Amino acid sequence: ETGVTQSPTHLIKTRGQQVTLRCSSQSGHNTVSWYQQALGQGPQFIFQYYREEENGRGNFPPRFSGLQFPNYSSELNVNALELDDSALYLCASRLGSGREGTQYFGPGTRLTVL
Amino acid sequence: GDSVTQMEGPVTLSEEAFLTINCTYTATGYPSLFWYVQYPGEGLQLLLKATKADDKGSNKGFEATYRKETTSFHLEKGSVQVSDSAVYFCALLPGAQKLVFGQGTRLTINP
Repeated sequence: ETGVTQSPTHLIKTRGQQVTLRCSSQSGHNTVSWYQQALGQGPQFIFQYYREEENGRGNFPPRFSGLQFPNYSSELNVNALELDDSALYLCASRLGSGREGTQYFGPGTRLTVL
Repeated sequence: GDSVTQMEGPVTLSEEAFLTINCTYTATGYPSLFWYVQYPGEGLQLLLKATKADDKGSNKGFEATYRKETTSFHLEKGSVQVSDSAVYFCALLPGAQKLVFGQGTRLTINP
C-alpha cells in the first residue's frame, strides 16, 4: 500500500476523444510524475509537476498535458486519442524534487483506445 | 542517453531455487538505482534501492549491489517462493526527475 490512488481503474475511449485521468498523492508529497506503460514494456516518463508547475517532460507530444492541485491531487489529460495511447498510466508521488525522494506509484489506470 | 538493459525473460524457476536477474545501465554522473516489482494487475512497488557505488539494497530476502565499475545492479534472492512470481523492473534516476526503466523481466516460480 503506497498511499497513492488513481481513478478510474479502467477506461475505454474511441480514437479522437479526450480523456482525463486522476491521481491522489500521498499527503505532503509535492512532486508527482506520470508514466505510460505499454503492454510488455517498462514505464516511460511523460512529465513531472512540482508545486503545481511542470518541471520536466519526456518525449510526448503537447496533446498530453497535466495539472497539479494544492490538495496533492493531479490530472493527466490526453487530447485527440490515438490507438497507440492504449496503455497503463501510472502516477508516482514523492516529497521534494531532487534525487533523494523515493517515488511511490499508484495502481494505474488502464486506458483502451478503440 | 541514459538507459537500462535487463535480462530477457521470461524466467521460470522451482520454489527454493536461487534467483539472479541481471541489470546493467548507461548513465552520466552518479544515478540512484532501483528495483521495482509489479504483481499481476497492480502498479509498481519499490523493492529496493541504492544511491551510491558499493551500496547494497535489500528487502524481503532480495539483494542488489550498486557496482559502478561494471555499471550493474543485479537482483538476487537465495530461495524464491511462489509468491515472488511477478514482473521485475530495474530503473535508474539519473537526475532529479524521471526514472528510466528497463523492459522488465517476468518471473514465474513453480511449486
